Formats: sequence, C-alpha cells, structure tokens
Amino acid sequence: EVQLVESGGGLVQPGGSLRLSCTASGFTVSSNYMSWVRQAPGKGLEWVSVIYSGGTTYYADSVKGRFTISRDNSKNTLYLQVNSLRAEDTAVYYCARSTDFDYWGQGTLVTVSS
Amino acid sequence: QPVLTQSSSASASLGSSVKLTCTLSSGHSSYIIAWHQQQPGKAPRYLMKLEGSGSYNKGSGVPDRFSGSSSGADRYLTISNLQSEDEADYYCQTWGSDTWVFGGGTKLTVL
Repeated sequence: EVQLVESGGGLVQPGGSLRLSCTASGFTVSSNYMSWVRQAPGKGLEWVSVIYSGGTTYYADSVKGRFTISRDNSKNTLYLQVNSLRAEDTAVYYCARSTDFDYWGQGTLVTVSS
Repeated sequence: QPVLTQSSSASASLGSSVKLTCTLSSGHSSYIIAWHQQQPGKAPRYLMKLEGSGSYNKGSGVPDRFSGSSSGADRYLTISNLQSEDEADYYCQTWGSDTWVFGGGTKLTVL
C-alpha cells in the first residue's frame, strides 16, 4: 500500500528555518517525480517544488532561492528545507507523487509568526 | 505555462448529477489534467487523470459515480448520484515545462 507521511512542521518566527520530511512506503521515492504542494489557510492548492527521478529540481518563483527539495534514497524520504520564512509561507505542506499527484500525504502545518 | 480556470462554486441536489468544468488556457488545449477532491479538513485525494481525447484513468478506490470527459480545452468531472460526502472542493491540475499548476478550485455544495 502506498503511503506518504509528512512531518517537521511547526511554529517559526519570520526569517527562521525548518526541514520538512515526507516518508514514503509502498514505492520507491527515487524512481518517481515527487513534489511539495502547499495550501495557505482558506486558500487553494499551490505547487512549490519538484524533484525528478534523475535528481533535477524545480521551484515555484515564490520560493526560489529560499526552499530546497532533496531526498534520501536510503530512507525513502523526501525533504523540503525552508529558509528565510515569511508570513505568507504559512500553510499546510503536502508531499505528492508523480506528475498527476496520484498519492498525497496528510500534510504538515507550518506557521510563520512572531 | 498553462492556466486552469474553474468556477468558484457549484451546487446540486442529493442523488442528482453535477458536471464540473476546468478550462485550459489558449495554446494548451491538448494538455492532460488530473482531478483532485478535498473534503473539509482533509488532505486532497486523487480522483483521475483525464486526457484531451476524453480517456481517463481513476485512482484506486474512486467510486464508479465519478467520470471524466473532454471537449476542446474543457475538461469535465461528472459526479452521478450525488452523496453528502461528495460535498468538497474539487481542483484540476496540470503540468508542463517543468512547472505544475492548479485551478482555483470549485466548492461543491450538495443540497
């Protein structure tokens, strides 16, 4: 059974950092395109970043230069390092598999506030 | 990159059918999209991948009541025999040129 479980969210001050994790089971992370998607409170879904099976990464303009996507193949885990956080980064962060997001995690909440 | 346009809201009666629309921007009418359902307070759930031909592949466990179709730049999600649990936000999504985009979502109310 395919499962994605996010962790690492929390309350952080503006300018702070966090590392979000997405642990996968039932499939191999490194063999798939894996994305992070976020949802601000009361808003729609916003794609954040992708890592291709070959390791190439891409980012939404809103996070470029501040967020870094990576993976640990030995742990079958996807990461999102989020730096220089702003109030507008407050959101639930989801990881999702493949180009059409055929599996989603349950999400982890990041709150940026002083 | 493509832009996806969805109506902000829709409503239909319990037991009836509803057809939600997602429209691809000019020049992107051939794109494959996916439909996702987000019930209140829950994570999104994948419903299906839908091609411009109208061919679709549903996710695991998605009821037969959900179907997809296409016409030109429009991609449709039809829900038959509406149930109370179908009250949710529905998002379309596509990808291309190393970027992914979502429509603004349609809030479906079951009357």
